[in-house]
Amino acid sequence: DAGVTQSPTHLIKTRGQQVTLRCSPKSGHDTVSWYQQALGQGPQFIFQYYEEEERQRGNFPDRFSGHQFPNYSSELNVNALLLGDSALYLCASSLGGSGSYNEQFFGPGTRLTVL
Amino acid sequence: GENVEQHPSTLSVQEGDSAVIKCTYSDSASNYFPWYKQELGKRPQLIIDIRSNVGEKKDQRIAVTLNKTAKHFSLHITETQPEDSAVYFCAASKGGSYIPTFGRGTSLIVHP
Repeated sequence: DAGVTQSPTHLIKTRGQQVTLRCSPKSGHDTVSWYQQALGQGPQFIFQYYEEEERQRGNFPDRFSGHQFPNYSSELNVNALLLGDSALYLCASSLGGSGSYNEQFFGPGTRLTVL
Repeated sequence: GENVEQHPSTLSVQEGDSAVIKCTYSDSASNYFPWYKQELGKRPQLIIDIRSNVGEKKDQRIAVTLNKTAKHFSLHITETQPEDSAVYFCAASKGGSYIPTFGRGTSLIVHP
């Protein structure tokens, strides 16, 4: 049983470009959350998807957008990249959306470097 | 919104010693407090959690305590081993969303 997977592992972009990161949740999970982890910091919540809709959103600009597909996999899109967007982007999957706590399982992350 | 403070940022101990990491939170409505361990280059993994209806929880060498009145919670690791070396994150969340707000992390170094 595969856990949470993310692709790509590493990515280098230049300022102003756009990027798409992908996440496949753990088998049986239907909820995907995205986090940004800057170097030396804790993960910061970007948004959560459940039933193909954005259910919760953190304090991130609308340059950050996402999507969830019918098979529960998800994408994170970032437009007009800034140097400050360089970070490890973590995807976490869980079961049942919001309203009750179920353990989040993290993926290995995508390391994004913006030059 | 919730704010989680975590101390210390770095903790260096000798193998066999105990380690304590402390966190405070701001939102009195928070009722779920997970702790994650992140080894270098790896994903965060849940190691223990505590809900607001209990004051302490233990799992082998790891324990977590919660003081709701003071709004602080702590992670205790006894008989530390070199493989305990990692960054530890505390987090706080509450019912309705259970989206965790993370602390900034504590780098624990256990010297053999």
